[in-house]
Amino acid sequence: EVQLVESGGGLVQPGGSLRLSCVASGFTFSDFWMSWVRQAPGEGLEWVATIKQDGNEKYYVDSVKGLFTISRDNAENSLSLHMNSLRAEDTAVYYCAREVRDGSGFDIWGQGTMVTVSS
Amino acid sequence: EIVLTQSPATLSLSPGERATLSCRASQSISIYLAWYQQKPGQAPRLLIYDAFKRATGIPARFSGSGSGTDFTLTISSLEPEDFAVYYCQQRSNWPPWTFGQGTKVELK
Repeated sequence: EVQLVESGGGLVQPGGSLRLSCVASGFTFSDFWMSWVRQAPGEGLEWVATIKQDGNEKYYVDSVKGLFTISRDNAENSLSLHMNSLRAEDTAVYYCAREVRDGSGFDIWGQGTMVTVSS
Repeated sequence: EIVLTQSPATLSLSPGERATLSCRASQSISIYLAWYQQKPGQAPRLLIYDAFKRATGIPARFSGSGSGTDFTLTISSLEPEDFAVYYCQQRSNWPPWTFGQGTKVELK
């Protein structure tokens, strides 16, 4: 079964750090671009970051540039998001998602992990 | 940055009716548009990619059309499980990948 499973969410104080992980199974992880997408409570979807198959290209939404780092370990079939200097506005469910091969869209999503930034 | 505007914000319909959802891009995105369905407490599910291609396992009642700046998601005959929020998303001019604000299809 093709699957993505996130972990690492939780409650963190403003200014704190957190590392999210996503483990892939059921497909050749190294063949796909991978992304993080978040959704604040009651709000819509927001793309956060994307990484190319070999990890040599990374892209971020402006609001997290310099604060968040996306990375991957193809040997471990894992995707990570290191989040530093967290702010209240980073509170959201964070999803990892697989990009459609040679197409536009995210075809596989994890169940999401909740990050709450609050004192 | 490409802005996607979805309309209407809410669509109130009954089972069996046809749903027509619109997504307009602030500049041409060719066919690089996807549609998602999201139910409360669940992750989004890809319905349509590249404007008109149905994703694996998606019923034929879902169809996508359009190119350039104007796109439509049509649900030919609403089933009870189709009441949800629908988002469009572009992958033409990136980064950033951007989403529309969503259309809620609710039970009339």
